[in-house]
Parts: sequence; structure tokens; C-alpha cells
Amino acid sequence: GENVEQHPSTLSVQEGDSAVIKCTYSDSASNYFPWYKQELGKRPQLIIDIRSNVGEKKDQRIAVTLNKTAKHFSLHITETQPEDSAVYFCAAAIQGAQKLVFGQGTRLTINP
Amino acid sequence: SAVISQKPSRDICQRGTSLTIQCQVDSQVTMMFWYRQQPGQSLTLIATANQGSEATYESGFVIDKFPISRPNLTFSTLTVSNMSPEDSSIYLCSVIPGAGETQYFGPGTRLLVL
Repeated sequence: GENVEQHPSTLSVQEGDSAVIKCTYSDSASNYFPWYKQELGKRPQLIIDIRSNVGEKKDQRIAVTLNKTAKHFSLHITETQPEDSAVYFCAAAIQGAQKLVFGQGTRLTINP
Repeated sequence: SAVISQKPSRDICQRGTSLTIQCQVDSQVTMMFWYRQQPGQSLTLIATANQGSEATYESGFVIDKFPISRPNLTFSTLTVSNMSPEDSSIYLCSVIPGAGETQYFGPGTRLLVL
């Protein structure tokens, strides 16, 4: 089955700098890659997603890139703010948005 | 998206007992899922809740331990049976509101088993 590896497990950046989180997946049939943000004690919230027919997607300060050949995708956050501090999870799925397989998570801390 | 609620929001239970968690959506949804998030860990899919039929369980999860019901397109329950301290986790339901959309999560149920 699908396996998703996520790095780094923790990331600390200065406010205003950029943060990058990387994920690799094992099943070349995966075609949907969402990113979720989970604040302490809260539910995971979708922040951006990408499908396999697209190489890059951007939404304001957040962007995701996908390299199908290398089977990896990355989350880029620019101009980081304290409210970006949270745990971020990547995921992959074969059947559209069904049966998500999650990475291990990255705890992002933005230092003022 | 969809508005998703779960009951209870948290509970403390004794080992050997069972707890049923409810997931209610404000609109009919195509797919419903149940996940487990152990303390400080990632999310693991338990099963897909199928409307009007038996749930589809992932490897490592069985119906006797986690019976699931989905009587209609807006409601599902997950029961955690014969609980042990290892079952202490957050249990989340999620939904796909329509064809091709993404998953949205409920607020979760925090379970502590003593």
C-alpha cells in the first residue's frame, strides 16, 4: 500500500522567513495530495491541495509543488507569521480524495 | 464544505467498557470516514463508513473492535469496544461532500481510557 514520508519532523523559522516541508510517496498511482494544518486541540484544516495533472499550485503565501517522476511534493510558506505555527500534515490518495494516507507531520514554530 | 459535529467531544472511560461516538453532517455527503490520531501522532484511517452496508476496514482494524454504522447520508457512529488504555486517542470523522472534492474533518472526540 501507499506510504508517505514527511520531513522535517520539526521546523523553526524566524517570522518573515520562508518554510518548506517535503513529502515523498511510494505508490505512483497516487493522484491527489492535500496539506492539512492542525493547531493544538483543533481539527485538521485543509490549507491547499494538488492533483497529479498539475505541477504547482499557489494560494497567497502558500504554494505546493509536485514532482510525479520523483514522487515527491512540497509545501512552501512565504512571509511566515506567528499564526502559521502549527503541525502540518501531507497526505496522498489513489482514489481521488478517498483513503488518505498521511505523513508523520511537521511541527512548525515561527519565532517572533 | 460541510458543517460536521461529533459527540461526545471528550470522555474518560474505564477499561473493558465501550463508547459510541456520533458524527453528524449538516448535508448529505458522498463519503464518510473514521480516523484515529494517537497522542502526538499522525492520522490513521480506521474505515470507510458505507451507507446502508458494512464498513470497509483498513489493515489492522476489525469490525469486532470498531463497529461502525451509517444509517443515512448525514450520520455515522463509531464504537470503540472493550477499551484498553492503548485506545486512548482522538477519533475523527471526515467527509467528502461531493464528487471529486476533498475531505473535511470533524472536531474529533478525545478519549482517555483508564
